[in-house]
Amino acid sequence: NAGVTQTPKFQVLKTGQSMTLQCAQDMNHEYMSWYRQDPGMGLRLIHYSVGAGITDQGEVPNGYNVSRSTTEDFPLRLLSAAPSQTSVYFCASSYARTGELFFGEGSRLTVL
Amino acid sequence: AQSVTQLGSHVSVSEGALVLLRCNYSSSVPPYLFWYVQYPNQGLQLLLKYTSAATLVKGINGFEAEFKKSETSFHLTKPSAHMSDAAEYFCAVSESGGSYIPTFGRGTSLIVHP
Repeated sequence: NAGVTQTPKFQVLKTGQSMTLQCAQDMNHEYMSWYRQDPGMGLRLIHYSVGAGITDQGEVPNGYNVSRSTTEDFPLRLLSAAPSQTSVYFCASSYARTGELFFGEGSRLTVL
Repeated sequence: AQSVTQLGSHVSVSEGALVLLRCNYSSSVPPYLFWYVQYPNQGLQLLLKYTSAATLVKGINGFEAEFKKSETSFHLTKPSAHMSDAAEYFCAVSESGGSYIPTFGRGTSLIVHP
């Protein structure tokens, strides 16, 4: 069972570079979301999607873009990386509005 | 608006002792409540969830939590700690009738001493 797959696991960027964090799920979940985890801050929601073609902003959306062209994929794009975006990023999916979130293993991003 | 407060960023217990991790929530509508666990260098996984059924919820690995509406609390307990319980624990709340997107607490790191 693959579940939620995130790539890459580790990435180092220079300030101003752009990149895409990939997220794919094979459980046919409608709900997908991106969180960032920083020490002492818990998980903060960046963007989420309730289905293909539908996305919305979370708590900390600035500097990030998302799209949802298929049910399976929900990539997160960093447009111009900044040191403040150094974090661990988690993608999650859910089969129902009140259901549990299934998380990927995370992507650790460092911006120099 | 929903919010979650986890009291104590670190909790330290001896192996075999009671584990108590505190979570208080704020919600304007009946909430759905969750506890997740994160082991080092891994993603989060569900321990247990409350979705308006029984107020005492049993989860995996011997953990349980009790929903107390009057206290707006959902504390996580385990009678006897094991070394393998050492991890980060997150409480989360989502609101029925709203966006259902959960809000997470800041997490509590459980340290288990031999």
